[in-house]
Amino acid sequence: ETGVTQSPTHLIKTRGQQVTLRCSSQSGHNTVSWYQQALGQGPQFIFQYYREEENGRGNFPPRFSGLQFPNYSSELNVNALELDDSALYLCASSLAAGVRTEAFFGQGTRLTVV
Amino acid sequence: GDSVTQMEGPVTLSEEAFLTINCTYTATGYPSLFWYVQYPGEGLQLLLKATKADDKGSNKGFEATYRKETTSFHLEKGSVQVSDSAVYFCALKNRDDKIIFGKGTRLHILP
Repeated sequence: ETGVTQSPTHLIKTRGQQVTLRCSSQSGHNTVSWYQQALGQGPQFIFQYYREEENGRGNFPPRFSGLQFPNYSSELNVNALELDDSALYLCASSLAAGVRTEAFFGQGTRLTVV
Repeated sequence: GDSVTQMEGPVTLSEEAFLTINCTYTATGYPSLFWYVQYPGEGLQLLLKATKADDKGSNKGFEATYRKETTSFHLEKGSVQVSDSAVYFCALKNRDDKIIFGKGTRLHILP
């Protein structure tokens, strides 16, 4: 059973550019969530996808968008990058939506905006 | 809104000392509670969980008990090792299926 994998591991972008981060969920998991972890802080919920539909969103602007594919892998897209978008972006998958289900996290993508 | 508060670090202990990291939460309904650990340069690993009141989660010598009356989920370990040095996050999963994290507690264990 493979775990959650994210790519790339590190990325440097220029302010104003666009970026796409990718996540392969754990085998059999149909729910994917994305989190932003700024340096020295706890992760903040961006949004969740359940069976290819957005299923909840945190306090992030519309330039943060996502997709989930039929194989349950997912993308996070960020447009018009700002310096404050520099952070570790974590993807988590779970077997189903629901308060009792565990989420398993990937290693993250470290995004630096210069 | 829902929130998690955990003790600020860094916490520095000698090897074999007793560890407590305090965590309290605010949530509507009946959240699940978690402790995650993050080693340098890595993602989050689930350390332990509890899904209802009075449940005790345990793993690798760490324990935490879901206390609804005090809205707490304190992490404890009887004898820490140098390899336990990491950042520990207390978290809840609420009825909206969001995971809400505390700010993290950095733990340093001295040999």
